[in-house]
Amino acid sequence: EAGVAQSPRYKIIEKRQSVAFWCNPISGHATLYWYQQILGQGPKLLIQFQNNGVVDDSQLPKDRFSAERLKGVDSTLKIQPAKLEDSAVYLCASSAWTETEAFFGQGTRLTVV
Amino acid sequence: AQSVTQLGSHVSVSEGALVLLRCNYSSSVPPYLFWYVQYPNQGLQLLLKYTTGATLVKGINGFEAEFKKSETSFHLTKPSAHMSDAAEYFCAVSDQGTYKYIFGTGTRLKVLA
Repeated sequence: EAGVAQSPRYKIIEKRQSVAFWCNPISGHATLYWYQQILGQGPKLLIQFQNNGVVDDSQLPKDRFSAERLKGVDSTLKIQPAKLEDSAVYLCASSAWTETEAFFGQGTRLTVV
Repeated sequence: AQSVTQLGSHVSVSEGALVLLRCNYSSSVPPYLFWYVQYPNQGLQLLLKYTTGATLVKGINGFEAEFKKSETSFHLTKPSAHMSDAAEYFCAVSDQGTYKYIFGTGTRLKVLA
């Protein structure tokens, strides 16, 4: 089966610009996660969706980050305006349900200059 | 709150030598435990997981890990390192019944010829 698809793979923007990342989960997976992986650190959960509803966004910096999952399938993560410290790899993962294994995409590497 | 500690951000072993990557966790209740591998510019791939049952867990590529509740540890081992094992390894924990991970900071494994 096809894995989790993310685009773009790489993005370079200037600080204060906006950027959006896209994730297409494995077909039929109800749960979707966005993680932020800063260089030298482990991934940190930003937001978890169950279908098109938010389950946990406690670590999402809501003043500049937003995410949506319309129709419970694809998801977009947006940053506006970007800061230098947002430079990281943004990983999307999906699972059939909250109680089942999550599968990760290859990530989007964001560089803010 | 749950947390994960990986001792040693960098580990070097000779090809054919034993690989031992250390992971300790903090959790008020028995968690689910995971090891993931990340190759350069790739997403995370699950090596193995412990949920319930046998405490010695075997994974892909010859890796195994043992859940030791008394030591709150889940160390990853492989009897004989191969050059292809060079990568970054992440230990992760989640509440039972969920796959909302808390990751350690990672250990970069270098295999010397």
